[in-house]
Amino acid sequence: EAGVAQSPRYKIIEKRQSVAFWCNPISGHATLYWYQQILGQGPKLLIQFQNNGVVDDSQLPKDRFSAERLKGVDSTLKIQPAKLEDSAVYLCASSLRTGTVGYNEQFFGPGTRLTVL
Amino acid sequence: DAKTTQPTSMDCAEGRAANLPCNHSTISGNEYVYWYRQIHSQGPQYIIHGLKNNETNEMASLIITEDRKSSTLILPHATLRDTAVYYCIVSSSGAGSYQLTFGKGTKLSVIP
Repeated sequence: EAGVAQSPRYKIIEKRQSVAFWCNPISGHATLYWYQQILGQGPKLLIQFQNNGVVDDSQLPKDRFSAERLKGVDSTLKIQPAKLEDSAVYLCASSLRTGTVGYNEQFFGPGTRLTVL
Repeated sequence: DAKTTQPTSMDCAEGRAANLPCNHSTISGNEYVYWYRQIHSQGPQYIIHGLKNNETNEMASLIITEDRKSSTLILPHATLRDTAVYYCIVSSSGAGSYQLTFGKGTKLSVIP
């Protein structure tokens, strides 16, 4: 089966510019996650969707970051305006569904590497 | 969720078993132990998880101590493709969300 798709793979912008990342989860996966991974650290959850509703966005810097999941399938993550400290890899993951018995592993995409100059 | 402690790095000879330890002394009764790994320039990949019994799948074995305060991930015959950062994560299902809080993990280098 096709994996989680992300684009672009790389992006270089200047501070104060805007940027958007796109994620297409595995078909049929109800739950979608966005993570931020700064160099040398583990991924940090930014936001979690169940279908097209937000389950948890407590760690999303809402003054500059926004995310949406149209029709419960694709998702976009936007940063506006970007800061130097936003330089990181942005990972998208999906899982079958949550709130059910048993564990549904998260499948990760390859990530988008953002460099803010 | 309980915190985990892992060594920063480990080496393993190719073909030998790789044993990756993880301490989670504050784990509570409803928390599972999950292992993911991240190969360079890729997203993390699920390996295995367990509650209190030892678990085995086609990738690895997970040994959890009786008091559940520590666990060991075993890759029985390490290959060069197993070189990666390995994350041990403890988490409950919460509101059914199965959220993962990643630490810095253990960088495993498999040496020819």
